[in-house]
Amino acid sequence: DAGVTQSPTHLIKTRGQQVTLRCSPKSGHDTVSWYQQALGQGPQFIFQYYEEEERQRGNFPDRFSGHQYPNYSSELNVNALLLGDSALYLCASSPDRAGYGYTFGSGTRLTVV
Amino acid sequence: AQKVTQAQTEISVVEKEDVTLDCVYETRDTTYYLFWYKQPPSGELVFLIRRNSFDEQNEISGRYSWNFQKSTSSFNFTITASQVVDSAVYFCALSEAHNNAGNMLTFGGGTRLMVKP
Repeated sequence: DAGVTQSPTHLIKTRGQQVTLRCSPKSGHDTVSWYQQALGQGPQFIFQYYEEEERQRGNFPDRFSGHQYPNYSSELNVNALLLGDSALYLCASSPDRAGYGYTFGSGTRLTVV
Repeated sequence: AQKVTQAQTEISVVEKEDVTLDCVYETRDTTYYLFWYKQPPSGELVFLIRRNSFDEQNEISGRYSWNFQKSTSSFNFTITASQVVDSAVYFCALSEAHNNAGNMLTFGGGTRLMVKP
């Protein structure tokens, strides 16, 4: 049983560019959340998707947007990249909106130069 | 607003020593969930335990044990007879229980545990 799959694993972008990160949730999970983890820090909640809608959002600017597809997979888009956006982006899926059974992927390491 | 504090940023022990990782949390909710996750160098967060705010029973799972004390808002994690494979970053997290809303996890800053042979 595959867990949470994220792609790509590593990415290097130039300041000002746009990036799309992808996540396939664990089988049976319909809720996807995204977290940003800067080096040496704990993950910070970006937003959560359920039934193809953003249900909850953390303290992140509108440059961060997302999407969930009917098959529950999700994308995280970041526009106008800043150097400070360099981080590990983690996707977590759960079988319910309460999020009590989170499963995390291995993340996408984004470096902005 | 919810907050999780892990005051120990880094701990180094010798194999077979016992080690306790501290976690203190803040929340205004009476119903909430506390978690511990392990993050090895691969980056994936590995779930270790979830505890709800109404269950203050301590839990033991093999070499791992957890001590939840609402009176001090703490949820500490002890590894008995540590092993080199326990080396990782450990995160404590809090989730408030809301109706009809997604429940985000608020993480502490993490504690890096290094177990030396």
